Amino acid sequence: DAKTTQPTSMDCAEGRAANLPCNHSTISGNEYVYWYRQIHSQGPQYIIHGLKNNETNEMASLIITEDRKSSTLILPHATLRDTAVYYCIVRPPTGTASKLTFGTGTRLQVTL
Amino acid sequence: NAGVTQTPKFRVLKTGQSMTLLCAQDMNHEYMYWYRQDPGMGLRLIHYSVGEGTTAKGEVPDGYNVSRLKKQNFLLGLESAAPSQTSVYFCASSYEGQGKFHEQYFGPGTRLTVT
Repeated sequence: DAKTTQPTSMDCAEGRAANLPCNHSTISGNEYVYWYRQIHSQGPQYIIHGLKNNETNEMASLIITEDRKSSTLILPHATLRDTAVYYCIVRPPTGTASKLTFGTGTRLQVTL
Repeated sequence: NAGVTQTPKFRVLKTGQSMTLLCAQDMNHEYMYWYRQDPGMGLRLIHYSVGEGTTAKGEVPDGYNVSRLKKQNFLLGLESAAPSQTSVYFCASSYEGQGKFHEQYFGPGTRLTVT
């Protein structure tokens, strides 16, 4: 699986957009980008995933660059409850030993 | 739907003791996983199972055994606990179908301390 690089920590003011970058320069053509988050001491929670098109759901948006070497997770209106560690994960599609490889992620602190 | 549940939530063991962690899911998922998370680290895969009666090693399998006798349950065993196994253990499950993505659902975790 391709490795990912994320900033260790970020701050964001409540109500503003949080933009979390991820570098995955060695991504293969069939590998997806997934985002999970882990709120303090809880189990990780799925947020969104994508292959090459931008994606949006009720939680967030995912912007993937045209060369697919990096992506950005966007939380449009961050709240205090979005304070968490965010993991960017790259892996092949399902049906192929569907293991998730977690790095150390980005610790997002949302402040008043 | 309870989702993924883990038993127990907390446990303290002495070095050399054994114990079994239980994971249960009520979503009829084929795949189940055991991860461990050490302080300040990401999750690391211990073992996983792609169906009832099957198990496979993950990234850090040494010192652990698993069993999947029933589809809804995935057991993680520590035969002789060591202080290095002090960690938070997370179980997850997912449905896997060819050409389709299905997210992994995680349990609340078991905090294990080995003294």
